[in-house]
Amino acid sequence: NAGVTQTPKFQVLKTGQSMTLQCAQDMNHEYMSWYRQDPGMGLRLIHYSVGAGITDQGEVPNGYNVSRSTTEDFPLRLLSAAPSQTSVYFCASSYSRGIETQYFGPGTRLLVL
Amino acid sequence: GESVGLHLPTLSVQEGDNSIINCAYSNSASDYFIWYKQESGKGPQFIIDIRSNMDKRQGQRVTVLLNKTVKHLSLQIAATQPGDSAVYFCAENSGGSNYKLTFGKGTLLTVNP
Repeated sequence: NAGVTQTPKFQVLKTGQSMTLQCAQDMNHEYMSWYRQDPGMGLRLIHYSVGAGITDQGEVPNGYNVSRSTTEDFPLRLLSAAPSQTSVYFCASSYSRGIETQYFGPGTRLLVL
Repeated sequence: GESVGLHLPTLSVQEGDNSIINCAYSNSASDYFIWYKQESGKGPQFIIDIRSNMDKRQGQRVTVLLNKTVKHLSLQIAATQPGDSAVYFCAENSGGSNYKLTFGKGTLLTVNP
């Protein structure tokens, strides 16, 4: 198993541009989530999904959209990037229906100019 | 708002010593707690968890203690090794949620050979 994979590893955007951060897992996990990590802070939950077709908001959802059309994939979309979205983004998945024993991906470092 | 916090942002220990990392939480409704380890440039890695019906749980070289009376969580690492050098985060299930985690800010543990 490849585990949780994220692409790209690093991205530079200009303010107003859009992009999609990809996340995939091959462990048949139902629960998937997106976090952002800013310097000196812990991870903050953006969105999560408990299964295909089901998504919900986390702590900091504004400016981000998600969808879950398959069990394997959980992309995160930035429709109009802002400098405040400069951060490291982590995707995670769990075999349980919730937050227990989440496996995290390697992260995507995003810089918005 | 309620949050999870850490008493010490950095901790430096000698190889072979025991390490203790502390965490305070303020949401009395949270009933599930997790410790994560994050090495530089990587995603968080699950270490150990504990539910509120327990006050102690042991793993391999690690022990988590939970004091619900003072809303305090600690991670003890026995015989600390250089490979234990990382940032350690505590996290709580936000107010008892099955789907949302709230992370603390993290403690940087440095192990000196």
